Amino acid sequence: SAVISQKPSRDICQRGTSLTIQCQVDSQVTMMFWYRQQPGQSLTLIATANQGSEATYESGFVIDKFPISRPNLTFSTLTVSNMSPEDSSIYLCSVAGASVTTGYTFGSGTRLTVV
Amino acid sequence: SQQGEEDPQALSIQEGENATMNCSYKTSINNLQWYRQNSGRGLVHLILIRSNEREKHSGRLRVTLDTSKKSSSLLITASRAADTASYFCATAPRGGNNRLAFGKGNQVVVIP
Repeated sequence: SAVISQKPSRDICQRGTSLTIQCQVDSQVTMMFWYRQQPGQSLTLIATANQGSEATYESGFVIDKFPISRPNLTFSTLTVSNMSPEDSSIYLCSVAGASVTTGYTFGSGTRLTVV
Repeated sequence: SQQGEEDPQALSIQEGENATMNCSYKTSINNLQWYRQNSGRGLVHLILIRSNEREKHSGRLRVTLDTSKKSSSLLITASRAADTASYFCATAPRGGNNRLAFGKGNQVVVIP
């Protein structure tokens, strides 16, 4: 299965600033997924990042707030813009398994605290 | 929207006991997957069961799937302290472009 390197692992940011999270995969993948996990909650899909096209955002998430880049098949970034304390969450990237019978691989997560 | 949702549970069990957690979902699925998350870190894939399967085993894990009831259960046998974690089910909806939908999660604490 793929290996994902995600960074930073954690950060404390001032409100109004932006943070960019990076995920590097050790193999080429078509789609990468970005999730948010609010404190004590489950994972919510933010968007699907495709190489060579704009990301597809889920309901309730917009590009201005969460711009995503996907410059190649092994790398993606998620930016959390103009942060407020409500953005304090764990953000995770993920890729699908190599086949329909294998699970997904997740990055180790970025724990973001906005003060 | 979240497609998989399990009854919110917080289990506290003694080492050696079995832990059972449940998951329900709402739509047709290709497969259902279970993940473990330790202390708010990344998720680790545990087991995947396809929509045409009813039961699957992997080591100390046993998962069942009832598509007529749109529900699944995960059993961990002979639990260990290292099994202390949050467990999530996730569904891969049919025609969902590989977008997993996660359930609420179950917090399991195994007391040594």
